[in-house]
Amino acid sequence: DTAVSQTPKYLVTQMGNDKSIKCEQNLGHDTMYWYKQDSKKFLKIMFSYNNKELIINETVPNRFSPKSPDKAHLNLHINSLELGDSAVYFCASSQTTGRIGPEQFFGPGTRLTVL
Amino acid sequence: GNSVTQMEGPVTLSEEAFLTINCTYTATGYPSLFWYVQYPGEGLQLLLKATKADDKGSNKGFEATYRKETTSFHLEKGSVQVSDSAVYFCALLGNDMRFGAGTRLTVKP
Repeated sequence: DTAVSQTPKYLVTQMGNDKSIKCEQNLGHDTMYWYKQDSKKFLKIMFSYNNKELIINETVPNRFSPKSPDKAHLNLHINSLELGDSAVYFCASSQTTGRIGPEQFFGPGTRLTVL
Repeated sequence: GNSVTQMEGPVTLSEEAFLTINCTYTATGYPSLFWYVQYPGEGLQLLLKATKADDKGSNKGFEATYRKETTSFHLEKGSVQVSDSAVYFCALLGNDMRFGAGTRLTVKP
């Protein structure tokens, strides 16, 4: 059973397009995250959601918007894609007792390429 | 703010060699420390963790000891295998989660 799943695995698109990446977790966790990993493997947190409430926004461009229909899903919408958005995006989840949970489980990643 | 510094890679070793990947941190309070591993084409997986000073995390032959006096959490393995080739991330959990830059390990037969 897949704990944290993401779709699609690969996404190739043109500049200016709008795209979405979906994430689902079946662990019963109450917090989900989105990370961006660039070509140098730097991993930066973008968002986290706890009980449908955004609790972290690491000043990413407002072209990026997380949407959480329920606590098992956290989708990432990106408007007006730019070349610099090309990266691998990872979803993660955890059961948190505070602002950030002790152990995060990661999805397999979505490689986004903007042409 | 909190931060994590890892030794820069890439690291290339022969099979059965001893591995050390250095990790030091800066944090207020008493953070938890983690090592995550990312195999090619996959997401990050938790390798081991330690939640308080002097704790030793271990898994799959890897070990790391939480050293508060030196603010370190170095990853070690006595005998690496080709299958250990991956990128290793040191991470710190304080008020938020901070990852190191990652160290790529390649093990050659």
